[in-house]
Amino acid sequence: AQSVTQLDSHVSVSEGTPVLLRCNYSSSYSPSLFWYVQHPNKGLQLLLKYTSAATLVKGINGFEAEFKKSETSFHLTKPSAHMSDAAEYFCVVTKAAGNKLTFGGGTRVLVKP
Amino acid sequence: DTEVTQTPKHLVMGMTNKKSLKCEQHMGHRAMYWYKQKAKKPPELMFVYSYEKLSINESVPSRFSPECPNSSLLNLHLHALQPEDSALYLCASSPWGGQGENTEAFFGQGTRLTVV
Repeated sequence: AQSVTQLDSHVSVSEGTPVLLRCNYSSSYSPSLFWYVQHPNKGLQLLLKYTSAATLVKGINGFEAEFKKSETSFHLTKPSAHMSDAAEYFCVVTKAAGNKLTFGGGTRVLVKP
Repeated sequence: DTEVTQTPKHLVMGMTNKKSLKCEQHMGHRAMYWYKQKAKKPPELMFVYSYEKLSINESVPSRFSPECPNSSLLNLHLHALQPEDSALYLCASSPWGGQGENTEAFFGQGTRLTVV
């Protein structure tokens, strides 16, 4: 079984300040973990993925995430928020390719000028 | 080409209509998915196809009928829908099998469905 909890449903930051989106997961195997971003009325775009290689993962648009097995966490960070980062972010876990993707509840990010 | 293409982008249909959503990918992926997403909610899995065979059906009502005619195409046939079926329908594809690398799913832009 697998599950994902995103600890904040909404995050508000000022432009130029750091962003932290928190994700905890539960799985009975070594998972693959992803962060996706969804802008309004759009599909989901992959930001980054963890697949048991490096625990610090760098993604697109300056985002990165750190996999911490001891804490079962996969938090997403960005050093400096941009207005274009305003969107919904989903943390996702899967056992293997072709299997069910389990989504967290999502975190809506608001960026203030 | 890492694109998943969905058509149409918007669809309005009556409760007695029959319509189809289409999805296409040319990445050689052998797993394809349909997800339903209501406003302000995460996507919910409906179906998974692996090697053109239905492998997961998340107890979806029979008014939704998936079809995978070949490894690049995925259809979702709609019949006698209800207004509560109005949602964004997302198609995705991924490699099949194995863990580690190459496990991510690529999503299309979705079809915004309104049932009237």
